[in-house]
Amino acid sequence: GENVEQHPSTLSVQEGDSAVIKCTYSDSASNYFPWYKQELGKRPQLIIDIRSNVGEKKDQRIAVTLNKTAKHFSLHITETQPEDSAVYFCAASTSNYGQNFVFGPGTRLSVLP
Amino acid sequence: NAGVTQTPKFQVLKTGQSMTLQCAQDMNHNSMYWYRQDPGMGLRLIYYSASEGTTDKGEVPNGYNVSRLNKREFSLRLESAAPSQTSVYFCASTMSGVNTGELFFGEGSRLTVL
Repeated sequence: GENVEQHPSTLSVQEGDSAVIKCTYSDSASNYFPWYKQELGKRPQLIIDIRSNVGEKKDQRIAVTLNKTAKHFSLHITETQPEDSAVYFCAASTSNYGQNFVFGPGTRLSVLP
Repeated sequence: NAGVTQTPKFQVLKTGQSMTLQCAQDMNHNSMYWYRQDPGMGLRLIYYSASEGTTDKGEVPNGYNVSRLNKREFSLRLESAAPSQTSVYFCASTMSGVNTGELFFGEGSRLTVL
């Protein structure tokens, strides 16, 4: 089955700096890669996703890149702000009916003022 | 439009007791999921249901049973709770198919087994 690894497990950056979180996956059949943000005590919420027919996607300060050959994808946050502090999870899935979402173990991002 | 609603939000059990976590979604999604979240372990899939009438085991199904009651509702049952089942449980749903979309989560249920 699918296995998703995520690094680093914790990340501290100064406000205004960039943050990068990397994930690798094992199943070449996976073709949908969402990123979720979870604030303390809250539910995970989707912040950006990418499908395997796209190499990069950007939404304001957030971007995701995908390298299908190497089976890895990354989340990039620019101009970080204190409200970006949270746990971020990557996931891999197929777009098939009844697909299983497999999550990475998470990255705790702290943005220091 | 409430999204994904799960109950209860908090529960304390003694070892050996049973309980059922309820989940309902009003987004007409076909697929529903139960995850558990433990510190440093991310979200681990317990069971999922691709559609009404079907259920499949996930990564950590032991000690749990599920029922897909209808398209809206997917319940998780602990028959004989153990301290190792102390966790935060999340129900989620999505419309799966050719263009799988966002996985929507409930607010979570914090379970403590003494």
